[in-house]
Order: sequence, then C-alpha cells, then structure tokens
Amino acid sequence: DVKVTQSSRYLVKRTGEKVFLECVQDMDHENMFWYRQDPGLGLRLIYFSYDVKMKEKGDIPEGYSVSREKKERFSLILESASTNQTSMYLCASSAGQHYGYTFGSGTRLTVV
Amino acid sequence: AQTVTQSQPEMSVQEAETVTLSCTYDTSENNYYLFWYKQPPSRQMILVIRQEAYKQQNATENRFSVNFQKAAKSFSLKISDSQLGDTAMYFCAFYSNQGGKLIFGQGTELSVKP
Repeated sequence: DVKVTQSSRYLVKRTGEKVFLECVQDMDHENMFWYRQDPGLGLRLIYFSYDVKMKEKGDIPEGYSVSREKKERFSLILESASTNQTSMYLCASSAGQHYGYTFGSGTRLTVV
Repeated sequence: AQTVTQSQPEMSVQEAETVTLSCTYDTSENNYYLFWYKQPPSRQMILVIRQEAYKQQNATENRFSVNFQKAAKSFSLKISDSQLGDTAMYFCAFYSNQGGKLIFGQGTELSVKP
C-alpha cells in the first residue's frame, strides 16, 4: 500500500521556535507538496518540489522554507513560529499531477 | 488567475438518499483536469473521482459520479445511496499543465444522517 507519512500527528510549539515538519513517501514520486488547511479557505499551497534539491514557492510561502535532500523526503521549516501559523499541514506527492496527489494524514500544529 | 469555488460550506443528507455537491472554476485554458477529494474525520485525503476536460463523458466511480459542464465551468459531484461513511469534508480541485499545481476549493462538509 503506497504511503505518504508525516512524522507528527499533533504538535505544540512556542512562538519564535524553529519547527520542522517531516514528510516521507515510498512511491518514488518526483513531485512533493506542502499545503496548509484552514477552515473556509480550503488547502493553500506553501511550497513544492519537482526534484531533489529543487523547490518552488507556492501561494503562501512567507514564513516558511523547505528542504529536499533526498527524493523520498520533503521537509517544511517554520523559521520562527508565529501564532498565525497554527494550522493543519498536509504533505502530498505525485507521479504526474494530472493523476492527482497522494496525501499524508496531516500534522495539526498549534503555536502558543 | 485560476480559482475554484465551492459555494456550499455545509450539507446534510439522509442515509440512502442522493446528494449533489457543487463546484465551479475559472480558467482560460482548454486542457485541464478536475478532481474531487474526500477528507473523513481521520483527516486522510482520498481521491474520489477524476475528470479530464477533453473527455465529454462524465466520470463515474461506483456510487460517485460527476456532472461536468465545460462551457459553464461547473463540476458537481453526485453521491447516490449515501452511506454513513460518506460523512466527510469534500474538496473540489483543478489542475492544468500551465498552472502546474492543484488548486483547491474551500470545501463542503457533508453529514450523512441515519
């Protein structure tokens, strides 16, 4: 069964902390994505990557960065967490985007 | 800019009945793909159905079917014989090669009542 695994299901961090959200896929997909999900706003793209060491900004990249050192792993980094980054974060991967994405089960991050 | 709009934040339906979720989108492209995703309380997003814009025939997956109206830029999801397990958030999504990413609507929270 193909999988996208997010390392934490729930996370509580303090304002100003550096936060790492990890995502691993076992499908050998080249494309990986980070979204945040907020009520009434749907899913908004933060960053994505089409290959190792490559990254592209999505619609809301401010306050975030990413790292993709290996094909299977895509990390989202909150350089200095703020309360407005409290949200659900979803990672996804895709072999070809017109086939749709495979999602992880999400990390609910609370910044206090 | 490409946008996806789901105008029904919440819907409910009785078990065994049929319900239709609405989705409209805006694009100037001719070639693209449309998707419906389901997110149950477990939070795992699941692909429900996929439609290719160049195909006129509406996609069907068991109890799930779409009504794709390309000229109207409408892509509604019909769930027949609703089951309690259909209770979830449903997202409509648009993809084009030009845009290079999936764009999601705001979501519709569907409750199936016994």
